[in-house]
Amino acid sequence: QVQLVQSGAEVKKPGSSVKVSCKASGGSFSKFGISWVRQAPGQGLEWIGGIIPIFGTINYPQKFQDRVTITADESTSTAYMDLSSLRSEDTAVYYCASGGAVAGTWYFDSWGQGTLVTVSS
Amino acid sequence: DIQLTQSPSSLSASVGDRVTITCRASQRINSYVNWYQQKAGQAPKLLVSAASILQRGVPSRFSGGGGSGTDFTLTISSLQPEDVGTYSCQQSYTSPLTFGGGTKVEIK
Repeated sequence: QVQLVQSGAEVKKPGSSVKVSCKASGGSFSKFGISWVRQAPGQGLEWIGGIIPIFGTINYPQKFQDRVTITADESTSTAYMDLSSLRSEDTAVYYCASGGAVAGTWYFDSWGQGTLVTVSS
Repeated sequence: DIQLTQSPSSLSASVGDRVTITCRASQRINSYVNWYQQKAGQAPKLLVSAASILQRGVPSRFSGGGGSGTDFTLTISSLQPEDVGTYSCQQSYTSPLTFGGGTKVEIK
């Protein structure tokens, strides 16, 4: 199981960008993947993209395709999530997560501690 | 995108009660569903993978079921105070991965 530690809380203006980091120990992204999941206040979990080894390349939901960039640097075991054109609805806790596959299912069994991103003018 | 609909959205039950949460997929997803528990202020924790595989260390009162390919259940056989939290299902049948809206479990 991978251990994940995320960067600290951010406060951003509407229209700006935010970059959140996630440092991994105990495993490689190519094997355990790395995804980003967010949770708006009082809302459910939402996958915003990631590297899922059983799917191949980096995947993004269409909703975020134009605004999210996920990168992973194996040399430093650090992944990044860059979200641009921020709006108030992007205020949420952002988690990085990694996992594995069993019986064809991809699951997340390691989670970062979460990073609160607040978008406010 | 595959939609996952959980029911109920919230429930209140007594200690010792049997509790069942349902997750219905908008199309067949075989057994490609996982269940998570999230306590207030914490990250989600994986409980069950591939519909019915209990994760190591998870109490045996938790179980996952469902074989129709669209309807899945998470059952707590005897609810305990430490089970308070929100439970969410997640599918990985196809990208984008999606989660259910969550079921909030409280003690009566």
